Amino acid sequence: QVQLVESGGGLVKPGGSLRLSCAASGFTFSDYYMSWIRQTPGKGLEWISYISGSGTTIYYADSVKGRFTISRDNAKNSLYLQMNRLRADDTAVYYCAKVGATGDFDYWGQGTLVTVSS
Amino acid sequence: DIQMTQSPSSLSASVGDRVTITCRASQTINTYLNWYQQKSGKAPKLLIYAASTLHSGVPSRFSGSGSGTDFTLTISSLQSEDFATYYCQQTYSPPKTFGQGTKLQI
Repeated sequence: QVQLVESGGGLVKPGGSLRLSCAASGFTFSDYYMSWIRQTPGKGLEWISYISGSGTTIYYADSVKGRFTISRDNAKNSLYLQMNRLRADDTAVYYCAKVGATGDFDYWGQGTLVTVSS
Repeated sequence: DIQMTQSPSSLSASVGDRVTITCRASQTINTYLNWYQQKSGKAPKLLIYAASTLHSGVPSRFSGSGSGTDFTLTISSLQSEDFATYYCQQTYSPPKTFGQGTKLQI
């Protein structure tokens, strides 16, 4: 069965960096777009980025463009999110998700909490 | 950006009730509309994609309809495990925006 496991979250100071990872199993990873979504109590669910199976097509939400970088390693069945210049409003639970045929997020990881605070 | 507006924001119901949640897009999205269920402390789960197609393993008491800008999620007979928060999401164009959620409670 499809399994997605995020890691790398934690406490970081404003202006700092963090790298999230998502280990995928149960499907042919390189065949699918993957995405990162975050959730805060105040702003709800926010899609932040996705990447094509080959890694050649990438989109970012305006809120993270220029600060976050999505990438993948198909040999390792892994998805990454490099987060730089972190701000307090980046504090959220970050989920990775597999993208389905119509762009839906058909499977999600359990999430990893990122807290940006001094 | 396409704005997604759900109503109501919260809803009280009882086991066995028929419940409908609506979602409106700020511009047409054809049928690029998905519904998710999220229980407290857990990740969202896909219920319905492409407005009306049930995701694998989702009970048939869930159904979705609509196209263009107006969509509905219906639960035909509420079960105790259905009390959760429901989100709609458009995947017509990036950013793939979500609605603010509808909390379904007893």
